[in-house]
Amino acid sequence: GAGVSQSPSNKVTEKGKDVELRCDPISGHTALYWYRQSLGQGLEFLIYFQGNSAPDKSGLPSDRFSAERTGGSVSTLTIQRTQQEDSAVYLCASSLVSRGLNTGELFFGEGSRLTVL
Amino acid sequence: SQQGEEDPQALSIQEGENATMNCSYKTSINNLQWYRQNSGRGLVHLILIRSNEREKHSGRLRVTLDTSKKSSSLLITASRAADTASYFCATPWAGQGGKLIFGQGTELSVKP
Repeated sequence: GAGVSQSPSNKVTEKGKDVELRCDPISGHTALYWYRQSLGQGLEFLIYFQGNSAPDKSGLPSDRFSAERTGGSVSTLTIQRTQQEDSAVYLCASSLVSRGLNTGELFFGEGSRLTVL
Repeated sequence: SQQGEEDPQALSIQEGENATMNCSYKTSINNLQWYRQNSGRGLVHLILIRSNEREKHSGRLRVTLDTSKKSSSLLITASRAADTASYFCATPWAGQGGKLIFGQGTELSVKP
């Protein structure tokens, strides 16, 4: 597609359930990022992929959070045993990165809004 | 923390007025970027200014960068109601890797 695509756009789940959020980056973009944005807040970095590997997963808040990327393309963010504090908008972005240095812009998807009841 | 700060947190102006938002950061950078986010949407890149540039223009946007003060400003001239959005500055992470570190944002409201 022309842009970064995320699904679902909205997800309501019960506390304790697992959720999967999907990101389809712009074709050819080697770098993929997950951020989290709580209501009225800035963006909190979660994880960064270069190709299929994740050299920086320092922002994952707990071991309930995991992410993978396959074929250098689609990425899935999984949250196990969801808690109410996980409620947020999860934003995915992609970019062209050369030699690990980001000198350009990130292209964002519209986000997946997660509500944990 | 490398995270920068933005000032003001919220700004309300009338259509036609200019809006100025400021961003401060903490580490050496090779570029600084500004993004816009409409309510309930993703972020959209507005402009990138490199560390060897002091000022850059794009349409009604003017960005300045003062590396000695570790600060940047975004000026929107002749604002329109459609400019209502949150504006974020972002700097590349100082360590290895390509992530950007975002400020908390300025929420701009332009009243018709």
